[in-house]
Amino acid sequence: KQEVTQIPAALSVPEGENLVLNCSFTDSAIYNLQWFRQDPGKGLTSLLLIQSSQREQTSGRLNASLDKSSGRSTLYIAASQPGDSATYLCAVRSGAGNKLTFGGGTRVLVKP
Amino acid sequence: DTAVSQTPKYLVTQMGNDKSIKCEQNLGHDTMYWYKQDSKKFLKIMFSYNNKELIINETVPNRFSPKSPDKAHLNLHINSLELGDSAVYFCASSLQERTDTQYFGPGTRLTVL
Repeated sequence: KQEVTQIPAALSVPEGENLVLNCSFTDSAIYNLQWFRQDPGKGLTSLLLIQSSQREQTSGRLNASLDKSSGRSTLYIAASQPGDSATYLCAVRSGAGNKLTFGGGTRVLVKP
Repeated sequence: DTAVSQTPKYLVTQMGNDKSIKCEQNLGHDTMYWYKQDSKKFLKIMFSYNNKELIINETVPNRFSPKSPDKAHLNLHINSLELGDSAVYFCASSLQERTDTQYFGPGTRLTVL
């Protein structure tokens, strides 16, 4: 059974600092890994999708890496801004039913 | 312009009632999903449909019945609502089952009194 863990559960940084969010998963036989952002009371916005054959994906200030063999992914957000404050969720697609299994999220606060 | 929409946004109801949540996507996707986010913010898959066919059915009480009248719609009907059903329910869709990005709706906050 796939389990996804995100550490830390919460993170507070001053504006301009780089953010590093960690995600680990127990079953390395994955199809892909997806990072989402969730704002309070809102739905999820997809940030990056990394296929199992890829090592990283980049979009603007965001970079996500994937090390399938060790069951880890890291999301880097460069030069953080107050607008980056949100909960970031990691999700792994795996298993016979191609299920998406979510981590518990990291709640980020970027202070001006 | 909304890609994945859900109605209603909020639903407050009494224990024992039956209620439905509707979901529609205008992205032309083949696969749709229902997720439940509980009070601790954990998101868990409930169902997925591909081309109107049930693909995933997690360990969900059979009081929950999804219905897909066509590829663009996946509705969730809940019978005999219980207090523990209170949560936020998210609908999502993706172009194909396995490899594609999932796009989420805004969620429906269900409160059972």
